[in-house]
Amino acid sequence: EDKVVQSPLSLVVHEGDTVTLNCSYEVTNFRSLLWYKQEKKAPTFLFMLTSSGIEKKSGRLSSILDKKELFSILNITATQTGDSAVYLCAATTGTASKLTFGTGTRLQVTL
Amino acid sequence: GAVVSQHPSWVICKSGTSVKIECRSLDFQATTMFWYRQFPKQSLMLMATSNEGSKATYEQGVEKDKFLINHASLTLSTLTVTSAHPEDSSFYICSAQGALNTEAFFGQGTRLTVV
Repeated sequence: EDKVVQSPLSLVVHEGDTVTLNCSYEVTNFRSLLWYKQEKKAPTFLFMLTSSGIEKKSGRLSSILDKKELFSILNITATQTGDSAVYLCAATTGTASKLTFGTGTRLQVTL
Repeated sequence: GAVVSQHPSWVICKSGTSVKIECRSLDFQATTMFWYRQFPKQSLMLMATSNEGSKATYEQGVEKDKFLINHASLTLSTLTVTSAHPEDSSFYICSAQGALNTEAFFGQGTRLTVV
């Protein structure tokens, strides 16, 4: 059975801190690893990672994939209160690129 | 990113009735659409995968006769919850994918409450 595990489950940090969110996966016919941010409604896309060791960056967010060790991390530097959300990672598998989601990490950034 | 529109955003219905949720890709053709269900404070659980013009593939434990999925065109998929029960109350989200191995974009989600 395909499995995606995220840690920590929840995290509270102060504004300005740097956080690292973890995602490990055990899936059959892995294709790519995606990160999403979910606030009140549907998830919004952050990154798609297909190759090991190549960091993707978008502003204060960055992510990298290790296909040998089967994990990915999402880094957020200089956190802001607007970063408070649930961060989901998902592995796409098979020919239909089915997404298997992790449990999510609930991040709360306080003043 | 691409736009996926899901409608309605929320709905309240009586037990025993059916509810239809629409998912439309507005600016691209979605060869594959996915339907997810999310309970409070839990992650998204895939219910089914649908490809345009063919029958949906349901995940284990999802009743295909209860959750009817139709993907009649490259821009529209519908999920009908038949004979709804209070335990069907949940957040339903669709996502749509264009070409293979591209990211899937999500609709806004539909919060269903069955009373």
